[in-house]
Amino acid sequence: QSVLTQPPSASGTPGQRVTISCSGSSSSVGSNSVNWYQQFPGTAPKLLIYSIDERPSGVPDRFSGSKSGTSASLAISGLQSEDEADYYCAAWDDSLNAWVFGGGTKVTVL
Amino acid sequence: EMQLVESGGGLVKPGGSLRLACEASGFSFRSYSMNWVRQAPGRGLEWVSSITDSGTYIYYADSVKGRFTISRDNAKNSLYLEMNSLRVEDTAVYFCARCLVALYDGFNIWGQGTMVTVSS
Repeated sequence: QSVLTQPPSASGTPGQRVTISCSGSSSSVGSNSVNWYQQFPGTAPKLLIYSIDERPSGVPDRFSGSKSGTSASLAISGLQSEDEADYYCAAWDDSLNAWVFGGGTKVTVL
Repeated sequence: EMQLVESGGGLVKPGGSLRLACEASGFSFRSYSMNWVRQAPGRGLEWVSSITDSGTYIYYADSVKGRFTISRDNAKNSLYLEMNSLRVEDTAVYFCARCLVALYDGFNIWGQGTMVTVSS
């Protein structure tokens, strides 16, 4: 069981906005930055969002992050077929002295 | 081009040992904290271990503490993971990953992964 809680799946039609939640604790999400990763089958994860709402160079601005208290969210605006992938949230946990990941959310474009 | 290349994976019996390596290129390896993250077949990502740029601070997941050892050789631009007392549940693809800058930043560079299979 993952320390951070994500819904196992999310879906939307092209052009829609999809939101993925990530629930943690006061020692993880509540105290530290949240990062989001995108992973396609058989490939390494890719950093999508860091420090809650920052995008690395090359990541489309359709992807955005936010945080409130012990929960964070990833939003995909204008959903595209190439966004179909697994998405993971992660944060450092001060109590565990460890990185903790969410279980992952599979996004399907209908 | 910034790159990480893992090696050393393979098939090992329960109780056995394996040493993974991750060679970095295209950036100043000695300036960044590094990590190992694994993914069991069909499962999600699981953080394994982190080491700061100079190796001063090291952290492990409870699931591997006492069995795995992370280390680095900045002169060789290489990160290592010594894995002992391997269990069936350690079967996974092991990725090395570089921190954006500091230990608490996201992991912005990943290797392609190396498969470790623990089976009798």
